[in-house]
Amino acid sequence: KAGVTQTPRYLIKTRGQQVTLSCSPISGHRSVSWYQQTPGQGLQFLFEYFSETQRNKGNFPGRFSGRQFSNSRSEMNVSTLELGDSALYLCASSHPGTSIYEQYFGPGTRLTVT
Amino acid sequence: AQSVTQLGSHVSVSEGALVLLRCNYSSSVPPYLFWYVQYPNQGLQLLLKYTSAATLVKGINGFEAEFKKSETSFHLTKPSAHMSDAAEYFCAVSDAGGTSYGKLTFGQGTILTVHP
Repeated sequence: KAGVTQTPRYLIKTRGQQVTLSCSPISGHRSVSWYQQTPGQGLQFLFEYFSETQRNKGNFPGRFSGRQFSNSRSEMNVSTLELGDSALYLCASSHPGTSIYEQYFGPGTRLTVT
Repeated sequence: AQSVTQLGSHVSVSEGALVLLRCNYSSSVPPYLFWYVQYPNQGLQLLLKYTSAATLVKGINGFEAEFKKSETSFHLTKPSAHMSDAAEYFCAVSDAGGTSYGKLTFGQGTILTVHP
């Protein structure tokens, strides 16, 4: 089975712009979670989608949003970029039908805001 | 609220030595616990998971972890370190349901260095 894929892998944007990141989960996985990883704050949960519905959200401003499509692919959007948004953005998929909820991570998108 | 504390942001061992990475958790409900490894410029790879079936959990690459409820700990060990084990390791907790869908709470990570 193919793993979780994320595009693009690297992105450079300017302050004030917006950006869209894409995540394709493992085939059959219906839950997609997004995380932000920075050296200062570590790994922080952004939100989770299941069957096109956001079920859970972390403590991030409204500039961070996401969506999920009927094929379980997910996108996250960050509007009005700030320097502090520079980070590695990871998505993870899981199959909630299991009792364990382990998540499988993609390679991440490295976003640099200048 | 759940939380994870990893004691020691950096651990250095010699090749062939025991690896011990410490993790303590806080959870108001029975937790599900995970260890992940991250190599430079890569995502996170699942090493092992605690599901309440057994307190000693074996994972990939010779790693194992023991769940100790009385100590609220889930330390990761490997009897003999290999150069390829050099990476950053993350402990994570999930309550696997309720209002915490899809959310893992991670520790701050421990960078493991292996010396020849």
